[in-house]
Amino acid sequence: GDSVTQMEGPVTLSEEACLTINCTYTATGYPSLFWYVQYPGEGLQLLLKATKADDKGSNKGFEATYRKETTSFHLEKGSVQVSDSAVYFCALSSDGANNLFFGTGTRLTVIP
Amino acid sequence: DTEVTQTPKHLVMGMTNKKSLKCEQHMGHRAMYWYKQKAKKPPELMFVYSYEKLSINESVPSRFSPECPNSSLLNLHLHALQPEDSALYLCASSRLLRGDSPLHFGNGTRLTVT
Repeated sequence: GDSVTQMEGPVTLSEEACLTINCTYTATGYPSLFWYVQYPGEGLQLLLKATKADDKGSNKGFEATYRKETTSFHLEKGSVQVSDSAVYFCALSSDGANNLFFGTGTRLTVIP
Repeated sequence: DTEVTQTPKHLVMGMTNKKSLKCEQHMGHRAMYWYKQKAKKPPELMFVYSYEKLSINESVPSRFSPECPNSSLLNLHLHALQPEDSALYLCASSRLLRGDSPLHFGNGTRLTVT
């Protein structure tokens, strides 16, 4: 079945450090891939998406590239800020029912 | 500000109570969802509505009863819940019920069952 494997956290970084959160997936067909972010006390917000191989999603300085050959969708940011502290979920959707399969989430804490 | 509005933000209920969670969106989205999220876990899908018809029920116990009165509103009726049902209940919507249509989430209702 479809699944997402996400890098275990928590991750603690200093401000302006580089971030990579690994995400790999297993799916039949051609899934759409997403990164969602959840700030404390809030629901999930779409951070970025990619719907086909080699697409690059980007938003707020975050980027992720849909790599079919390695079944990966790693999240990257060149310089993190304290305000980026949140839980990040990798997710895929591969069927018409739009049932999102989430990874376990990675908690990021950025310290000044 | 989120475009999916959920009320109430917090709810405490006893095991014999009946309560309802409400969700509203005005983005013209035709698919709406209920998710349950336990602490430090990813959201788990409960129900999906497409064009106001129930499309998916992920084997949710009957003490949870969804309702979609119109394309903008989604309710979750709760009855005879158990303490283990305490969680954050998230509503979401998407333009269509399609894999490439991203979900927009509300901020959730934090439910405590005593």
